[in-house]
Amino acid sequence: GENVEQHPSTLSVQEGDSAVIKCTYSDSASNYFPWYKQELGKRPQLIIDIRSNVGEKKDQRIAVTLNKTAKHFSLHITETQPEDSAVYFCAAASMDSSYKLIFGSGTRLLVRP
Amino acid sequence: ETGVTQTPRHLVMGMTNKKSLKCEQHLGHNAMYWYKQSAKKPLELMFVYNFKEQTENNSVPSRFSPECPNSSHLFLHLHTLQPEDSALYLCASSQTASQPQHFGDGTRLSIL
Repeated sequence: GENVEQHPSTLSVQEGDSAVIKCTYSDSASNYFPWYKQELGKRPQLIIDIRSNVGEKKDQRIAVTLNKTAKHFSLHITETQPEDSAVYFCAAASMDSSYKLIFGSGTRLLVRP
Repeated sequence: ETGVTQTPRHLVMGMTNKKSLKCEQHLGHNAMYWYKQSAKKPLELMFVYNFKEQTENNSVPSRFSPECPNSSHLFLHLHTLQPEDSALYLCASSQTASQPQHFGDGTRLSIL
């Protein structure tokens, strides 16, 4: 079955700097890759997703890149702000597995003012 | 966003109690999910319902029993739970299985 590994587990950056979180997946059939942000005590919220027919997607300060050959995808946050502090989860899914989401273990991002 | 509502938000129960968690979605979605979120572990999918039919049981112990009476409501019935079942239980829904999932705020469950 699918296995998703996420790194780093914690990340501390200065406000205004960029943050990059990386995930690798094992199932080459995976074709859907969402990213969720979970603030303390709150629900996971979808912030961006990408499907395997594109290599990059951007939404304001957030971008996701996908390398199908290497089976990894990354979340990029530019001009970080204190409100970006949260736990970020990547996930992967495939049509073969009925789009069952397999999550990474999460990255705790701290943006220092 | 109140598209997916879970009740109760917190629940403390003894190992011999029977309780139920409730999830309701107002998004017109056709798929609903139960996840377990434990400290320092990835989100674990428990059950999936598509158009009220259970399509996934991710090797969940029988002390957890899901129920989906219609596409807007999902329940998780709990019976004879163990201390290791203490966790945040999250409900999610999506238009179809291939569409993005939207989560509720979860029920924080503590087993004494």
